[in-house]
Amino acid sequence: DQQVKQNSPSLSVQEGRISILNCDYTNSMFDYFLWYKKYPAEGPTFLISISSIKDKNEDGRFTVFLNKSAKHLSLHIVPSQPGDSAVYFCAASALTGNQFYFGTGTSLTVIP
Amino acid sequence: EAQVTQNPRYLITVTGKKLTVTCSQNMNHEYMSWYRQDPGLGLRQIYYSMNVEVTDKGDVPEGYKVSRKEKRNFPLILESPSPNQTSLYFCASRRSPAGATGNTIYFGEGSWLTVV
Repeated sequence: DQQVKQNSPSLSVQEGRISILNCDYTNSMFDYFLWYKKYPAEGPTFLISISSIKDKNEDGRFTVFLNKSAKHLSLHIVPSQPGDSAVYFCAASALTGNQFYFGTGTSLTVIP
Repeated sequence: EAQVTQNPRYLITVTGKKLTVTCSQNMNHEYMSWYRQDPGLGLRQIYYSMNVEVTDKGDVPEGYKVSRKEKRNFPLILESPSPNQTSLYFCASRRSPAGATGNTIYFGEGSWLTVV
């Protein structure tokens, strides 16, 4: 059973606008979350993370929001750029755990 | 440069012919793992290793074997490949087994495997 879900397989956004990618999880033991970005023919690369002691973490154009009560996190990209076009995976783990669980990915297309 | 290197990057093989995908990391990481990526299923963990000689099954271990004889290497072995193992495989490593803050996963570039 998928413990981390990304319900939107794809998203298209105009350049300069905000991209919002969503992720839901079911396991209440998860307390550390990451977002990865993947270009075709490359491995996923780390983008941003958040632990459950925070509800927001920001790094430049990228902000991750965590709503623990809803078991939901989102990645905001502002402003979106064509180079952001990629597949984005969210992942979750328990801080004391030794496995990360990944979502199915959302393919973001930023239209120039 | 911090790297996870896996080989081969692309392989077409026939059903039943044993193959090994190698993985090596140069970051002295304790933890290594293998994932497969399939359409609509995301990244699923096959096996992981918390240190030398310590391995454990992930979510989809059937049909695969691994070994961890040295800290830097973690090969994935398909003893008798079948067409349902056609997939994109990623090796990954991170500093320590626990998912502590800042303990980022580093991925290799992926190995496309087709079993006919």
